[in-house]
Amino acid sequence: DIQMTQSPSSLSASIGDRVTLTCRASQSVTNFLNWYQHKPGKAPKLLIYAASSLQTGVPSRFSGSGSGTDFTLTISSLQLEDAAIYYCQQSYSVPRTFGQGTKVEIK
Amino acid sequence: QLHLQESGPGLVKPSETLSLNCTVSGGSITSRSYHWGWIRQSPGKGLEWIGSIYYNGNAYYNPSLKSRVGITLDTSKNQFSLNLRSVTAADTAIYYCVRDRVVIISGTYEDFWGQGILVTVSS
Repeated sequence: DIQMTQSPSSLSASIGDRVTLTCRASQSVTNFLNWYQHKPGKAPKLLIYAASSLQTGVPSRFSGSGSGTDFTLTISSLQLEDAAIYYCQQSYSVPRTFGQGTKVEIK
Repeated sequence: QLHLQESGPGLVKPSETLSLNCTVSGGSITSRSYHWGWIRQSPGKGLEWIGSIYYNGNAYYNPSLKSRVGITLDTSKNQFSLNLRSVTAADTAIYYCVRDRVVIISGTYEDFWGQGILVTVSS
């Protein structure tokens, strides 16, 4: 299985801050990397697919980059509603695997 | 708008079979552009992909669960189902049904999710 490692495990930032989350794969996943946002009591929501493609309806303050083994999710200007856990997921090989998540809190 | 809704018992006894259904509305499970799958989240843990099924009924699974899991389609009801045999407390989780969008150059991603159903394994 491809192992996905996210860092940091949690962070606290202020409204308007630029926030960067990192995801590293144990082997190359080319650009087959997705990002999800998960709020308590709700279903996870797809934010980014194929490393950098913004899902329809997702605010443009979210962006993704990277290829191979190293990827980032950036929130350009953090908003109150962005408090959540963010997961990366690779779909390069079966089983599709997720990172352990980064919890984003608002100061 | 596509909507997925999980249903099934919230409590299953150890060694028995966990059975869940996912009813899809606003789209057809026979569409060739999508797969349909299950993902779970155990308490305090991350997300685990269980398996997915094609429009034609072919399924593929997480090897860690493959010996115990089965996913099937019921096209007459526009539903797909999960069966997980010989459950233990470790199978206690929120189970989500999902639609997998499959694009050759982009990979596979879960673009629609059900709200999730908590299944507890306990005697």
